Amino acid sequence: AQKITQTQPGMFVQEKEAVTLDCTYDTSDQSYGLFWYKQPSSGEMIFLIYQGSYDEQNATEGRYSLNFQKARKSANLVISASQLGDSAMYFCASFMNRDDKIIFGKGTRLHILP
Amino acid sequence: EADIYQTPRYLVIGTGKKITLECSQTMGHDKMYWYQQDPGMELHLIHYSYGVNSTEKGDLSSESTVSRIRTEHFPLTLESARPSHTSQYLCASSELDGFSYNEQFFGPGTRLTVL
Repeated sequence: AQKITQTQPGMFVQEKEAVTLDCTYDTSDQSYGLFWYKQPSSGEMIFLIYQGSYDEQNATEGRYSLNFQKARKSANLVISASQLGDSAMYFCASFMNRDDKIIFGKGTRLHILP
Repeated sequence: EADIYQTPRYLVIGTGKKITLECSQTMGHDKMYWYQQDPGMELHLIHYSYGVNSTEKGDLSSESTVSRIRTEHFPLTLESARPSHTSQYLCASSELDGFSYNEQFFGPGTRLTVL
């Protein structure tokens, strides 16, 4: 069964610094997708970024980039120039075509300090 | 912009009551999902649907039931609410694509408290 591991339950980062949120996944499938969601304290889930397993380049969306290392099965989220509004819970998730479902990690709570 | 709605946003109710959490989307998406999330914890898939008259149970066993009579509507029902059902319930939808992933759009969630 597919599994997502986020090893950082919480992180504190100074404003304007870059931050890397770790995510590893476990699959034997060749075709899959990986992505990150942000969940502020208000509770809604905000889609941030997506990486397909066949994509050769790392995905980028504004200040967000996904450091995709296929051989290591890792898909770390990098946030450049962090802002106070980045304080939230961040979930890594995977989609396996075989299972046709999305599995979420346990999340990392990010705190940006002024 | 995502157009997926959930009502109510907050619900406090007594044990034994029957409740229905509403979820509607205006994007014409075939796939819809319900997730249960305890505070500060991961999301657990409890139900999903591929389209009208399709419902499937997710990875987390749930006493709730769902129906999909219309494409845009995917309500979740608890026949007899209990304190253990206290949680946040998130609805999501995506396009039906059998090969590649399509982004899931989430509703704002319903925070349910059962006393």
